Amino acid sequence: DTGVSQNPRHKITKRGQNVTFRCDPISEHNRLYWYRQTLGQGPEFLTYFQNEAQLEKSRLLSDRFSAERPKGSFSTLEIQRTEQGDSAMYLCASSSDTRPYEQYFGPGTRLTVT
Amino acid sequence: QKEVEQDPGPLSVPEGAIVSLNCTYSNSAFQYFMWYRQYSRKGPELLMYTYSSGNKEDGRFTAQVDKSSKYISLFIRDSQPSDSATYLCAMSRITGGGNKLTFGTGTQLKVEL
Repeated sequence: DTGVSQNPRHKITKRGQNVTFRCDPISEHNRLYWYRQTLGQGPEFLTYFQNEAQLEKSRLLSDRFSAERPKGSFSTLEIQRTEQGDSAMYLCASSSDTRPYEQYFGPGTRLTVT
Repeated sequence: QKEVEQDPGPLSVPEGAIVSLNCTYSNSAFQYFMWYRQYSRKGPELLMYTYSSGNKEDGRFTAQVDKSSKYISLFIRDSQPSDSATYLCAMSRITGGGNKLTFGTGTQLKVEL
């Protein structure tokens, strides 16, 4: 399977704990995006990487959120001191430089904060 | 007011019907228009995209963009029960950066036998 993969698929954590998610993009794609989707809403943009450089961050990305993409391959999204409002589906997408609008999504990581 | 508005539905149609799904938007800077299909608890799947105004057809799906009215549509012909899903419209500006997508809320579609 050469699509976008995300791990874990589900994560249940207690309020105040730290969590980390991983995204592996389509291998030839330089661009990687993180989105968050809550129930009944469309995905909302969080942050974007071109190769290893994080070029844009949404105001939704509070100081408790950090994302990395070492060596321009996989990416991680960490949430520190989780809150119940962080419960959502976290989606990763990737695209090429030549067609950056053509974004392909992974299956998502569903986070539940209790 | 959201940049992209989409009726959440649910929309229920009989098998074989023509389905019309629509979005309106307020930002005239949007140049790329996408439609995604999302099954329950899965990631969005890109169906098709259109640049600027005009029509694009792919099998049973036709996408239309009317930039003068800031209105986009997706038509599904000969709808099947397997088309039952949430359909998300998404839009992107032409920028020097990332082309982040701005999504509608999604329309839930059910195609009944």
